[in-house]
Amino acid sequence: AQTVTQSQPEMSVQEAETVTLSCTYDTSESDYYLFWYKQPPSRQMILVIRQEAYKQQNATENRFSVNFQKAAKSFSLKISDSQLGDAAMYFCAYRTNSNYQLIWGAGTKLIIKP
Amino acid sequence: SAVISQKPSRDICQRGTSLTIQCQVDSQVTMMFWYRQQPGQSLTLIATANQGSEATYESGFVIDKFPISRPNLTFSTLTVSNMSPEDSSIYLCSVEDQSVLVATEAFFGQGTRLTVV
Repeated sequence: AQTVTQSQPEMSVQEAETVTLSCTYDTSESDYYLFWYKQPPSRQMILVIRQEAYKQQNATENRFSVNFQKAAKSFSLKISDSQLGDAAMYFCAYRTNSNYQLIWGAGTKLIIKP
Repeated sequence: SAVISQKPSRDICQRGTSLTIQCQVDSQVTMMFWYRQQPGQSLTLIATANQGSEATYESGFVIDKFPISRPNLTFSTLTVSNMSPEDSSIYLCSVEDQSVLVATEAFFGQGTRLTVV
């Protein structure tokens, strides 16, 4: 069965510093997609970054980047220059190329200290 | 991208009653998903709603408790029936943009915070 594990229930970082959120997954598929979603207190789920498994290059979106280690089945999110607006729940998610159903991690609460 | 309007944003309901949540999308989408998110928890898929066919329910969720309608490609409703306090959760509507050949992202409504008293 495919699973997604986020081992950090909560993380805190000083404003302007860098923080890394961990995510591991288990799958026997070779073609799949990985996502990081952000859910602020407003409840609106927002896509932060997406990685296609067939791409070796790590995805980057402004201050957000991932470290995708396919062999290790690891997909961590690095947030640089943390801002107060980054405070939210962060969810790692997985889906295959053939099934649109997302498999979700338990989430990590990110706290930004001013 | 898809913009989703979900209503109501929150409600407080009496036990034993039912609540219907609406999800309106600004474009045609094949697949719509309904999730439940209990306080402090991750998302749990309730069902996948496909236009023109019955919804597909996940283990632990049944049609009698969570009937779903999908009358067209831009609209769906989820009803939470015969509510009990255990149904107090956030309910989220989501769609997948299938207008391109490769997966893009799932889009979400604003969620409905339901409290059953």
